[in-house]
Amino acid sequence: EAQVTQNPRYLITVTGKKLTVTCSQNMNHEYMSWYRQDPGLGLRQIYYSMNVEVTDKGDVPEGYKVSRKEKRNFPLILESPSPNQTSLYFCASSFGGVETQYFGPGTRLLVL
Amino acid sequence: QKEVEQNSGPLSVPEGAIASLNCTYSDRVSQSFFWYRQYSGKSPELIMSIYSNGDKEDGRFTAQLNKASQYVSLLIRDSQPSDSATYLCAVKYNQGGKLIFGQGTELSVKP
Repeated sequence: EAQVTQNPRYLITVTGKKLTVTCSQNMNHEYMSWYRQDPGLGLRQIYYSMNVEVTDKGDVPEGYKVSRKEKRNFPLILESPSPNQTSLYFCASSFGGVETQYFGPGTRLLVL
Repeated sequence: QKEVEQNSGPLSVPEGAIASLNCTYSDRVSQSFFWYRQYSGKSPELIMSIYSNGDKEDGRFTAQLNKASQYVSLLIRDSQPSDSATYLCAVKYNQGGKLIFGQGTELSVKP
């Protein structure tokens, strides 16, 4: 089944404790992206990757890191999480560019 | 700062009516425009994309683009309760992978 998977789906952590949210897709998509969704603010793009070893900043990259060492995986790293990073995070992928993205199920993060 | 604006709603329409969802954007060089639907507690899913001025129809959905007015809309004909969701407008500004979303409009279709 073609899908985008994210792990974990739910995470409660404390300020400053490094964490990684994984994203994996089995569709051989070149493009992958991370978003956060907050009430009243819609979806905001954090980082995206056009292909392996090619990443670029979205609208809200501060406090996040990404890497794209393999085509199927695009992990999101929070080196020192803060409470303002409490949010719902979505990973997405598409063949080619951003045009036909498939979204993962989301990861709900709470930073205390 | 590039912006995409939507009325947050909620927009309430009776079953069978036409629902009209609107979106404005700030950058004249915007290239591609998308409408996503997001059911409560679920992930967004792409329902329409439009790239040139005019109308694009897909079943009960019609996307309309007016680049001169920097305006894109989504019409849903014969609205059904199953159309109740939040609709997100998104704009791609260049050849890269950056995508800007609006805040989303919540649509409620009453039986």
